[in-house]
Amino acid sequence: AQTVTQSQPEMSVQEAETVTLSCTYDTSENNYYLFWYKQPPSRQMILVIRQEAYKQQNATENRFSVNFQKAAKSFSLKISDSQLGDTAMYFCAFMKPAGGTSYGKLTFGQGTILTVHP
Amino acid sequence: SAVISQKPSRDICQRGTSLTIQCQVDSQVTMMFWYRQQPGQSLTLIATANQGSEATYESGFVIDKFPISRPNLTFSTLTVSNMSPEDSSIYLCSGGMEGGQFFGPGTRLTVL
Repeated sequence: AQTVTQSQPEMSVQEAETVTLSCTYDTSENNYYLFWYKQPPSRQMILVIRQEAYKQQNATENRFSVNFQKAAKSFSLKISDSQLGDTAMYFCAFMKPAGGTSYGKLTFGQGTILTVHP
Repeated sequence: SAVISQKPSRDICQRGTSLTIQCQVDSQVTMMFWYRQQPGQSLTLIATANQGSEATYESGFVIDKFPISRPNLTFSTLTVSNMSPEDSSIYLCSGGMEGGQFFGPGTRLTVL
């Protein structure tokens, strides 16, 4: 079974600064996907960024980027130029694709509450 | 991506009753999932809703307590049966598709 660990229960950052959220995972699989989700107080889960394990290049989405270290089983999220709207709980998630597809069930980490201060 | 809606958004129920939560996706998805989330905590997968066949339940969740229907590729329901206060939680559905898994807004259930 896969496990996902987020060791930072809470983080805070000043507006316009950069913050990095940590995530490690444990798996014996070679083909998998990793995700970061954002859940603001409204509770809507929003997909922030995804990484396919077979891709060496780190994924980026505007101000969000990841540092994917496959051998170390580490998948951190960097948020640049933090904005007040980034305040939310962030979840790291692992997915093993089901039977030749590119989707499957998710295993989530415990979450990190990020607060952006003005 | 996909737009996923859930009904109801919240409900307060009496112990011993049942509640059915509906999940509607604006496009066809092969896989749909149901999760439970305690406020401020992580998500736990209840089951995978399979179209045309019985749902696949995770350890600790059983069909008698959480019956699931999936009549087509855009709709699913989760029933929380014979509720107790321990069932108070947020219930989320999601759809799996190319690019990731997308979530509904959740249903906040309180059992008195």
